[in-house]
Amino acid sequence: EVQLLESGGAVVQPGGSLRVSCVASGFTFSNHAMSWVRQAPGKGLEWVSTLSASSSGGDTFYADSVKGRFTISRDNSKNTLYLQMNSLRAEDTAVYYCARFVVGIIPPAIYFDHWGQGTLVTVSS
Amino acid sequence: QTVVTQEPSFSVSPGGTVTLTCALSSGSVSTSHYPSWYQQTPGQAPRTLIYSTNTRSSGVPNRFSGSILGNKAALTITGAQADDESDYYCVLYMGSALVFGGGTKLTVL
Repeated sequence: EVQLLESGGAVVQPGGSLRVSCVASGFTFSNHAMSWVRQAPGKGLEWVSTLSASSSGGDTFYADSVKGRFTISRDNSKNTLYLQMNSLRAEDTAVYYCARFVVGIIPPAIYFDHWGQGTLVTVSS
Repeated sequence: QTVVTQEPSFSVSPGGTVTLTCALSSGSVSTSHYPSWYQQTPGQAPRTLIYSTNTRSSGVPNRFSGSILGNKAALTITGAQADDESDYYCVLYMGSALVFGGGTKLTVL
């Protein structure tokens, strides 16, 4: 069974930094692309970042709203995905979900297939 | 900047059929955008319903179906049930980015 467990959410001051983590189990982590998706309180879902599988080059992709401030990375030896968040703003306050990202060739597919339960990041003074 | 638009809210009677749509601010949605659909109830993580326009994710009942209708992606629920009352989100692939729609709050009453 695929499981994704996020941790590391906290209250952080504006301008501060935080790293959230996602431990994966139930599948070969290194073979899969992974993503972060966030949801501000009472708002909709927003894609944040995607990291391709290491075998696919480990390319990174970011939403414009976080580009230059957030860094996605992975440690395949620990089956863990990270999101390093710097220069945090009030508008970054959200539940951050880790999601497994599927990029299929045959058949072609691009989507999130499994989700964690999320970790809450609050940016406030 | 790409904006993906969904109906903010929709209502359906139990047993009824409803179609939710997902539109682009400019241009038409096509299969090349790999539309996918997700269901979320308050306080819960999203659940994957449909991917690649019309493929149901594992375990999703066949009352959920996806399609392209005109210039939009569409999610149709046939024979709506009380526990279908949720928020529904579409996602479109836009090259190097993924864009979520604003979500549709579906009420079953």
